[in-house]
Amino acid sequence: GDSVTQTEGLVTLTEGLPVMLNCTYQSTYSPFLFWYVQHLNEAPKLLLKSFTDNKRPEHQGFHATLHKSSSSFHLQKSSAQLSDSALYYCALSDRCNYAQGLTFGLGTRVSVFP
Amino acid sequence: NAGVIQTPRHKVTGKGQEATLWCEPISGHSAVFWYRQTIVQGLEFLTYFRNQAPIDDSGMPKERFSAQMPNQSHSTLKIQSTQPQDSAVYLCASSLERGHTEVFFGKGTRLTVV
Repeated sequence: GDSVTQTEGLVTLTEGLPVMLNCTYQSTYSPFLFWYVQHLNEAPKLLLKSFTDNKRPEHQGFHATLHKSSSSFHLQKSSAQLSDSALYYCALSDRCNYAQGLTFGLGTRVSVFP
Repeated sequence: NAGVIQTPRHKVTGKGQEATLWCEPISGHSAVFWYRQTIVQGLEFLTYFRNQAPIDDSGMPKERFSAQMPNQSHSTLKIQSTQPQDSAVYLCASSLERGHTEVFFGKGTRLTVV
């Protein structure tokens, strides 16, 4: 079955430093990959989605590159801000199996300090 | 657009009592999902409706959990004889279509079983 692995449970860093969150996946077919972000007491919201034409999605300074050879979709930002403190989920959607919803990783909590 | 609305935001039940959680999806969205969120398991898929019809309940515990969608404007998740291990945040989400479009989440209902 499909699975998503996020290796870091917690990432702490100082404002202004770069951040990278790891995401690898297993899927029977070539899936779509997503990053969702959830701030405290808020709903998870879509941050990024992979493109079919392999363009690199970017939003709010974050970007992610889908590498099919390594089954990865790591999230990166060159300079973290205090407002980036949140819970980040990587997720996949199977292109061919419409009977399944999004499969999420366990999430990575990011804490940015001044 | 008020987004996906979930009520109540917090619910405390005694062990063995019943809990009913409510969700109002975004108007016009044909797909409705329920997820359970815990620190240990992350976001777990529970069940999915499409055009009010139950499509996939593979994530639902077979006993005590049930979900319904009596009309296009609301869905309910009912947990009978609640147990402490049911304590979690239950998230409802909706989307225009299944699979690859953005899924919009509600803020969730935090269920605490004491």
